[in-house]
Amino acid sequence: KAGVTQTPRYLIKTRGQQVTLSCSPISGHRSVSWYQQTPGQGLQFLFEYFSETQRNKGNFPGRFSGRQFSNSRSEMNVSTLELGDSALYLCASSLEAGLDTQYFGPGTRLTVL
Amino acid sequence: KNEVEQSPQNLTAQEGEFITINCSYSVGISALHWLQQHPGGGIVSLFMLSSGKKKHGRLIATINIQEKHSSLHITASHPRDSAVYICAVNGGSTGNQFYFGTGTSLTVIP
Repeated sequence: KAGVTQTPRYLIKTRGQQVTLSCSPISGHRSVSWYQQTPGQGLQFLFEYFSETQRNKGNFPGRFSGRQFSNSRSEMNVSTLELGDSALYLCASSLEAGLDTQYFGPGTRLTVL
Repeated sequence: KNEVEQSPQNLTAQEGEFITINCSYSVGISALHWLQQHPGGGIVSLFMLSSGKKKHGRLIATINIQEKHSSLHITASHPRDSAVYICAVNGGSTGNQFYFGTGTSLTVIP
């Protein structure tokens, strides 16, 4: 079975721009979660989607948004990029929402200049 | 204050040594996860625990719900175990928040 895939793997943007990251879960998985990882803050939870509905949201500003499609693929969008948004963005999928083992993708490394 | 605290932050061991990484949390939880991250970013979920003890190969994870504490043990450590180990919990006031420890960087020397 193919693992979680994320595209693109690397991205360079400038302040003020917006960006969309994509995550394709393992086939059959219906839950997708997004995380931000920075050297200073470590891993932080962004949001979780299950069956096209946002089930849970972390403590991030409204510039961070996401969605999930009927095939469980998910996208996250960051508008009006700031330097501090430079990070590794990871998505993880699981069969069901909540208490289930998560399988992580390789991440998208975003650099904001 | 961090909801999840890990210790130690850094750990160097000789190959073959028994290793323990500790995790304490301050919120009510529904589950605790141990994650492994190798250089380059890839994260692997090692264990998900809500009670007791789990074992997978040379890895053992335990949790004490009353004491809000979990440990990850590695028996007969090997250089390929060198990675960052991260403790994470599902919980908080809504029951659905994820909180992460800052990770323990393990280096196993041959």
